[in-house]
Amino acid sequence: AQRVTQPEKLLSVFKGAPVELKCNYSYSGSPELFWYVQYSRQRLQLLLRHISRESIKGFTADLNKGETSFHLKKPFAQEEDSAMYYCALRMRTNAGKSTFGDGTTLTVKP
Amino acid sequence: DGGITQSPKYLFRKEGQNVTLSCEQNLNHDAMYWYRQDPGQGLRLIYYSQIVNDFQKGDIAEGYSVSREKKESFPLTVTSAQKNPTAFYLCASSIDKGITLYNEQFFGPGTRLTVL
Repeated sequence: AQRVTQPEKLLSVFKGAPVELKCNYSYSGSPELFWYVQYSRQRLQLLLRHISRESIKGFTADLNKGETSFHLKKPFAQEEDSAMYYCALRMRTNAGKSTFGDGTTLTVKP
Repeated sequence: DGGITQSPKYLFRKEGQNVTLSCEQNLNHDAMYWYRQDPGQGLRLIYYSQIVNDFQKGDIAEGYSVSREKKESFPLTVTSAQKNPTAFYLCASSIDKGITLYNEQFFGPGTRLTVL
């Protein structure tokens, strides 16, 4: 069965420091991976998707199929990055069912 | 915000009562989803639907029921059979076509259900 693991429930860094939120997955097929973010009092929303290989708000994430990882990185964290981050895997088969990790709460201290 | 709405924002229910949570979207999305969000447990999939008049059980469907009579609407009923219904419920939708670029999910604001 598919599984998404975010090993850190809480992550705290200082402003300007690099940050890496870890995501590992297990899935026998070809995955579609996403990072979603939930800022305080806002809806859960897409941050970025692996297929686009994009940088959003300074964040990037590279799919490493060998290590089955999709870690989210930012070289210089900002206070406004404080939020809950979810890694999600969407299966191309099984009617597009998605599985989410348990989430990581990132706090960026001034 | 707009696009996908959930109502009510807060809902209180007595034990033994069924309650229905509303989810509506005007994004013309084919797929819709219901998740339950509990502290420390992330999002768990309850039910999902790819097309009208069809839906599938997710990982925690017991004690819940859904219908998809219209493309825009995907109501969730929490029945008295659900043993621990107090939670935050999120509805989402997606285009869910074969083109991967469009398969992100758009989320509603959520409904917080409390069983008294």
